[in-house]
Amino acid sequence: QKEVEQNSGPLSVPEGAIASLNCTYSDRGSQSFFWYRQYSGKSPELIMFIYSNGDKEDGRFTAQLNKASQYVSLLIRDSQPSDSATYLCAVNIRGSYIPTFGRGTSLIVHP
Amino acid sequence: DGGITQSPKYLFRKEGQNVTLSCEQNLNHDAMYWYRQDPGQGLRLIYYSQIVNDFQKGDIAEGYSVSREKKESFPLTVTSAQKNPTAFYLCASSITGGGYTFGSGTRLTVV
Repeated sequence: QKEVEQNSGPLSVPEGAIASLNCTYSDRGSQSFFWYRQYSGKSPELIMFIYSNGDKEDGRFTAQLNKASQYVSLLIRDSQPSDSATYLCAVNIRGSYIPTFGRGTSLIVHP
Repeated sequence: DGGITQSPKYLFRKEGQNVTLSCEQNLNHDAMYWYRQDPGQGLRLIYYSQIVNDFQKGDIAEGYSVSREKKESFPLTVTSAQKNPTAFYLCASSITGGGYTFGSGTRLTVV
């Protein structure tokens, strides 16, 4: 079983819609959760991090963490074509400060 | 402005040649990392360092070497022992356990 799993996509949404990206993880003791955005041919960029159960909002982005169900989600409201990218989930597994990365979900926002 | 700089952006290696990728940060981060990214494979950890003069192997360290003589610098050498070095190499830094700041990457190609 992979430690951090993401659907590879692509996830296609129309402009203005809510994009919902999901990530599941296997270790119940995981402490820290990160979302990175990677445009094609570029390096990843940290866009959200969350440590506690519940929601964390930053502009159009909301991270949702549910430790009981072992998933973390990223919601992008009012999606724009410029949001089209691969979104990487990363989780600090218990006992390690090195995050485990998922393989990423490709998001396409079409006009 | 604080950041992390990788050079060169593109690098071509001949068979049997060693090449060194540069990574410099002025974020005052203790931890630095090297990842390799291949199409469809996600990020794979090569080496990481938490403090000066100390570093640990990641998941795919064979054929690579690093040094950490200064807090700001973490160069990666791709040796001739690495049989399939063509990839996108990413350097990152962080406070311990925190989210990563990535450099812009180096694309290495064997010619």
